[in-house]
Amino acid sequence: EVQLVESGGGLVQPGGSLRLSCAASGFTFSDHYMDWVRQAPGKGLEWVAHIGNKGVGYIRHYAASVEGRFTISRDDSQNSLYLLMNSLKIEDTAVYYCGDLGRSPIGNWGQGTLVSVSS
Amino acid sequence: DIQMTQSPSSLSASVGDRVTITCRASQGIRDDLGWYQQMPGKAPERLIYVASSLQSGVPSRFSGSGYGTEFTLTIDSLQPEDFATYYCLQHNSIPFTFGPGTKVDMK
Repeated sequence: EVQLVESGGGLVQPGGSLRLSCAASGFTFSDHYMDWVRQAPGKGLEWVAHIGNKGVGYIRHYAASVEGRFTISRDDSQNSLYLLMNSLKIEDTAVYYCGDLGRSPIGNWGQGTLVSVSS
Repeated sequence: DIQMTQSPSSLSASVGDRVTITCRASQGIRDDLGWYQQMPGKAPERLIYVASSLQSGVPSRFSGSGYGTEFTLTIDSLQPEDFATYYCLQHNSIPFTFGPGTKVDMK
């Protein structure tokens, strides 16, 4: 069974940092490109970051709203995806989801982890 | 950036109705499009990938079509568990972009 489990969310002050994790199982994680998506309270979905697989040199892309502050990474030996979030802003408050957004038949997302940025 | 629009933004329907939601891209995206369903308080779940392929485990009353710039999600014979918000997503080019959503509620 394909499963993605996000963790690491919490309450942080503006300017602070958090590291989100996404544990994958039930599929060959190393083959897949992976993404982070977020949803602010009462709002729609926003793509945040993308990382390719080894075959494309783990290429990374970011939304303009997080470029320079967030870093996506992966550890294929641990079947894990990460999102390091620095210089957090109030507008980063959201539920963060991990998943493969692309052409793969595996399109599962995790249940999400809540990040609250507040003083 | 590719802009995604959805219509309608909301609709009211009854159990058994046929529902069609349209998603338009500001430029061609081949078939690099997915449809997602989100129930209140839950994570989104993908229904359709590459515009017309049914995600494993998704009921066959859901179908997708389209290529290029115009896409549709159709729900044949709406069921009570289908009242939700639906989003399209283009993954053709960075930044990936979602449509604003279509809320389907009970008439």
